[in-house]
Amino acid sequence: DTAVSQTPKYLVTQMGNDKSIKCEQNLGHDTMYWYKQDSKKFLKIMFSYNNKELIINETVPNRFSPKSPDKAHLNLHINSLELGDSAVYFCASSPQPGYEQFFGPGTRLTVL
Amino acid sequence: AQSVTQPDIHITVSEGASLELRCNYSYGATPYLFWYVQSPGQGLQLLLKYFSGDTLVQGIKGFEAEFKRSQSSFNLRKPSVHWSDAAEYFCAVAEVGTYKYIFGTGTRLKVLA
Repeated sequence: DTAVSQTPKYLVTQMGNDKSIKCEQNLGHDTMYWYKQDSKKFLKIMFSYNNKELIINETVPNRFSPKSPDKAHLNLHINSLELGDSAVYFCASSPQPGYEQFFGPGTRLTVL
Repeated sequence: AQSVTQPDIHITVSEGASLELRCNYSYGATPYLFWYVQSPGQGLQLLLKYFSGDTLVQGIKGFEAEFKRSQSSFNLRKPSVHWSDAAEYFCAVAEVGTYKYIFGTGTRLKVLA
């Protein structure tokens, strides 16, 4: 059973398109995160939800919008994709904010 | 501002040699401390964590880390490295009582046969 799953694993799309990435965790955790990892492996936190409430909203373009329909799901929608959005996006969950995190396998987004 | 520094971008060791990866943090109080490993094409996996208590913590895959408050450090060690340990290693810090969670820039470990 996969603890944290993401779909799709790969996403190739044209500039200007809108796309979504889905994340689900079956660990019963209260907190979920979205990270962006660039080509140099730098991990940048984008958003975090705790019990479906947004608790971290870092400086990211407002083209990025998270949505948490319930505690087990955190989706990421990206409007008007740009070349610089190409990266690997990771979803993670933790029992509580600030505790150890469990990561999904990542979604490699390529914008052409 | 809080920060996490991993001074070594790349480290190369021979299989069977010992390993130490450095991590320093800048924080007002003692934070929660973590080490994660990322194999190529994978997500991050927790190796070990420190919340309080004994400053030497044991993790998975034979790794350990020691918290030194006086040096604001949380270095990762392994006595004998295996070829499968080749990966990217991230130190992370979480501020107690808040939601802030910061990752270091990572250290890439290469293991020579």
